[in-house]
Amino acid sequence: QSVLTQPPSVSGAPGQRVTISCTGSSSNIGAGYYVHWYQQLPGTAPKLLIFGDNNRPSGVPDRFSDSKSGTSASLAITGLQAEDEADYYCQSYDSSLSGSVFGGGTKLTVL
Amino acid sequence: QVQLQESGPGLVKPSETLSLTCTVSGGSISSYYWSWIRQPPGKGLEWIGHIYYSGSTNYNPSLKNRVTISVDTSKNQFSLRVSSVTAADTAVYYCARVDYYYDSGSRQYYFDSWGQGTLVTVSS
Repeated sequence: QSVLTQPPSVSGAPGQRVTISCTGSSSNIGAGYYVHWYQQLPGTAPKLLIFGDNNRPSGVPDRFSDSKSGTSASLAITGLQAEDEADYYCQSYDSSLSGSVFGGGTKLTVL
Repeated sequence: QVQLQESGPGLVKPSETLSLTCTVSGGSISSYYWSWIRQPPGKGLEWIGHIYYSGSTNYNPSLKNRVTISVDTSKNQFSLRVSSVTAADTAVYYCARVDYYYDSGSRQYYFDSWGQGTLVTVSS
């Protein structure tokens, strides 16, 4: 059972917009800790996708964006492409655990 | 561009100690936090713990009694030891660099560079 809750799967057709939610609690997202997002392509290591308030590392397209409200956050992907098919993880810090926590991951399928 | 590479045995017997090393290249290990993260086959990511280059550590409470992370700045390496392993410790183990910034009065930690991962199987 992950501290942060994500839907197991989402899907969308090429060109569409999809969102992936990440729900936490008052000791992590609700306490003011930001959510960061990672993309894991099949058979590879996770890669930082977004950190903080919509900060993207060099090379990450602006089709990826995030938002936060209360104890939840969301990753939005617009203009869906076949290459976006991957697992996506959210991560934050939890003050009660004094460490980093991850969501269980969401598998994105491009139809 | 910093690069990280995990190394160590791919097979460990139950009740023994798992030992892995992460070698950092393309940058200094100093002035950063460094972390270990694992992923059981077909499952999600689990943070194991992190170490500052000075040697201070923080561990996942669920693993704290069995985990030790250490750093060797002269070799630009940091290491992981997990004692009394069971089949539940079978996973791909990743090392990662931790960066952070301040916002809302708190440090916001995230993992900005990852190693490729190494599969460790616990089996007799």
